[in-house]
Amino acid sequence: DADVTQTPRNRITKTGKRIMLECSQTKGHDRMYWYRQDPGLGLRLIYYSFDVKDINKGEISDGYSVSRQAQAKFSLSLESAIPNQTALYFCATSGQGAIGEQFFGPGTRLTVL
Amino acid sequence: ILNVEQSPQSLHVQEGDSTNFTCSFPSSNFYALHWYRWETAKSPEALFVMTLNGDEKKKGRISATLNTKEGYSYLYIKGSQPEDSATYLCASINSGYALNFGKGTSLLVTP
Repeated sequence: DADVTQTPRNRITKTGKRIMLECSQTKGHDRMYWYRQDPGLGLRLIYYSFDVKDINKGEISDGYSVSRQAQAKFSLSLESAIPNQTALYFCATSGQGAIGEQFFGPGTRLTVL
Repeated sequence: ILNVEQSPQSLHVQEGDSTNFTCSFPSSNFYALHWYRWETAKSPEALFVMTLNGDEKKKGRISATLNTKEGYSYLYIKGSQPEDSATYLCASINSGYALNFGKGTSLLVTP
């Protein structure tokens, strides 16, 4: 079984709809992250959490919110989806400290019409 | 936001060629430099994590060096194979913040 799972894997939604992307991990890591990938722009950080009570905005948090329900679960919500949020979204986890490599989920491809 | 720059943006080599990419990152408040390999339709996977100036890491035909004083890292692939085709991402951590990724170098190795 995968260490980091994301649901759904693909989603098509309409402008204005609320949508939640979910991430679960079995690695026992404290740190979890949400990134989005757009062609030519690389991975950009949306939100990150260093433990259950810690939530931090990343580079591009506007239009997104997150919830850290437990050590193993970190959800990303789009309260009112817009077309420029169409992207590939990755969840990742890492152990403590700057040297902890990140383990990525399989990605969620989101299309907002 | 601290910029991490990678060059070249893309590279096309023949099987057996050796190649290298560059990652430049902010040298101030540096904590660590990560390299990831990202194959099409898969998730990024870690290659190396380096923290000390002068670090050199090696995994098979792939190696990396780190210069924290001037803020650059090189990734080398010796004798490229078609299965090396992927996007190679570097990312730095400065001031204990989360990883800041470059845009990647896309490598295509043809037989």
